[in-house]
Amino acid sequence: GQQLNQSPQSMFIQEGEDVSMNCTSSSIFNTWLWYKQDPGEGPVLLIALYKAGELTSNGRLTAQFGITRKDSFLNISASIPSDVGIYFCAGLESKLIFGTGTRLQVFP
Amino acid sequence: NAGVTQTPKFQVLKTGQSMTLQCAQDMNHEYMSWYRQDPGMGLRLIHYSVGAGITDQGEVPNGYNVSRSTTEDFPLRLLSAAPSQTSVYFCASSREAQLNYGYTFGSGTRLTVV
Repeated sequence: GQQLNQSPQSMFIQEGEDVSMNCTSSSIFNTWLWYKQDPGEGPVLLIALYKAGELTSNGRLTAQFGITRKDSFLNISASIPSDVGIYFCAGLESKLIFGTGTRLQVFP
Repeated sequence: NAGVTQTPKFQVLKTGQSMTLQCAQDMNHEYMSWYRQDPGMGLRLIHYSVGAGITDQGEVPNGYNVSRSTTEDFPLRLLSAAPSQTSVYFCASSREAQLNYGYTFGSGTRLTVV
């Protein structure tokens, strides 16, 4: 089945640092979504992107819908300990297709 | 509103046993789906339903059955559990499949097959 490639697989950063992660696909999507999963919980929607080139922010989070519609990027500025978790991108066609996830660890 | 409720949270099965994972939502969502999450694999779609009485297969349907007799409930049945089905299972719902604001997820069922 189709999956989206996310990178990096994992990140270990210090509190206060900025974080960047990306997601690429061989297919075009019309909608990109970014989710965060806390330990022992289901994914929670962070940001939704609907148009190629769109840049959307949610607090310290900024996500972009790539011009080619085959990629998306998520940035987290000034990381804090509660940013720890797994971040998933997802492309929406007839179904929601998830990326492989980026595991973020933040050290104080 | 409770959102999407999954039960049980944890389950251990012996190989060959059967069981049903429950999923219920109280948001009157038409679309419901089941995913499994394995390390390094992200979430993979097992089965989905676009409304009561309608179900379809996702990426990894083998070994699982579903039914959708009501809008609220979407149980996932394992007919004869295998160790390869050890995973965390998530149920998700949305008002419509194509609606572009993402899905609401339950908190998951962690299943171990020994």
